[in-house]
Amino acid sequence: GAGVSQSPSNKVTEKGKDVELRCDPISGHTALYWYRQRLGQGLEFLIYFQGNSAPDKSGLPSDRFSAERTGESVSTLTIQRTQQEDSAVYLCAGIAENTGELFFGEGSRLTVL
Amino acid sequence: QQPVQSPQAVILREGEDAVINCSSSKALYSVHWYRQKHGEAPVFLMILLKGGEQKGHEKISASFNEKKQQSSLYLTASQLSYSGTYFCGTYGSGGYNKLIFGAGTRLAVHP
Repeated sequence: GAGVSQSPSNKVTEKGKDVELRCDPISGHTALYWYRQRLGQGLEFLIYFQGNSAPDKSGLPSDRFSAERTGESVSTLTIQRTQQEDSAVYLCAGIAENTGELFFGEGSRLTVL
Repeated sequence: QQPVQSPQAVILREGEDAVINCSSSKALYSVHWYRQKHGEAPVFLMILLKGGEQKGHEKISASFNEKKQQSSLYLTASQLSYSGTYFCGTYGSGGYNKLIFGAGTRLAVHP
């Protein structure tokens, strides 16, 4: 596709359930970020993938959060045993390496009841 | 470490100018600027690299003072379409790694 695709666009879940969010970056974008944005707040770094290098997981808020990416393709962010404080929009972004520009997806809005 | 943005919010009349500042306590390699409209994804405005160069996008320009470890975004003759939240992002060292964004500056432009 032409842009970064994220799914689902909206997810409502019950506290304690697991959720999986998906990001399909632009082809050729070897680096990928996940950010969390709570309502009215800024962009909170979660994790960074660069090619086949070990990801930088330093922003993951707890061990309930994990993310995977195989090569330069799709990435998934998994949140286990969701809590109400996990409610937020989760954004992924790929980098155009020739310019350094980040291309963001539209985000996955997660609501934990 | 998160860059610090100021002011937190700005209200303008169409045609007025504004400056948004972004500063860091650590050495900067580059500064990114993004704008996010309500309910939308952030959109790239520009990147500034070490060297104090100034860049422009429409009537929006920015400067980067590496000695002061800060960048400023200048919005000239503001338009209604400039409304949104502006974020600066910094890496702090060469290459692409953890890009950390400031808390954002909310800009509202009224007719």
